Amino acid sequence: DTGVSQNPRHKITKRGQNVTFRCDPISEHNRLYWYRQTLGQGPEFLTYFQNEAQLEKSRLLSDRFSAERPKGSFSTLEIQRTEQGDSAMYLCASSFGGGDTEAFFGQGTRLTVV
Amino acid sequence: AQTVTQSQPEMSVQEAETVTLSCTYDTSENNYYLFWYKQPPSRQMILVIRQEAYKQQNATENRFSVNFQKAAKSFSLKISDSQLGDTAMYFCAFGGRGSRLTFGEGTQLTVNP
Repeated sequence: DTGVSQNPRHKITKRGQNVTFRCDPISEHNRLYWYRQTLGQGPEFLTYFQNEAQLEKSRLLSDRFSAERPKGSFSTLEIQRTEQGDSAMYLCASSFGGGDTEAFFGQGTRLTVV
Repeated sequence: AQTVTQSQPEMSVQEAETVTLSCTYDTSENNYYLFWYKQPPSRQMILVIRQEAYKQQNATENRFSVNFQKAAKSFSLKISDSQLGDTAMYFCAFGGRGSRLTFGEGTQLTVNP
């Protein structure tokens, strides 16, 4: 296993378009997290899954954002009607267990909304 | 809610010297975990070191060690014998009862030859 994989690495979209990102976690990891990181800031939590269940969502996750993890494997994060403020790096992480265990991060998807 | 503060946006150190990065946090929880993550340019974030709050002994990983002061809610990272490959953004993070990590703003460390 080569670690957490995110696709695409970069995405440029026009304001108002929908975008979808994919995350493939480390195969034996039951927890999957999405974070958003803007330039010069630390990552901010968006949501997390334990297996296929979405257990927590941040207030940062507006109605335009939706995340899924069908069958508890890969996950997708969709942003509808993108806005310029959505421009950021979207990071995915996975872990086997809870807050005490190491989270392994992907390289992220950089979204630019023009 | 937990907060994590890193008061040093940028730091630099000469190769082979020692540098300390600061981190303070605020929480009402008693059992939690603290982490330092490293984010090199254009590469994924990787774990440098972790500390369980119930352990009094400071964690050490090779050239990396922490000074954990639970009463002061302070968690600093010391890097000894700095190497050029240590140049990166360093994030302090808090992991509590929930599964989320709360990150600080980061400290950009540059190791100069």
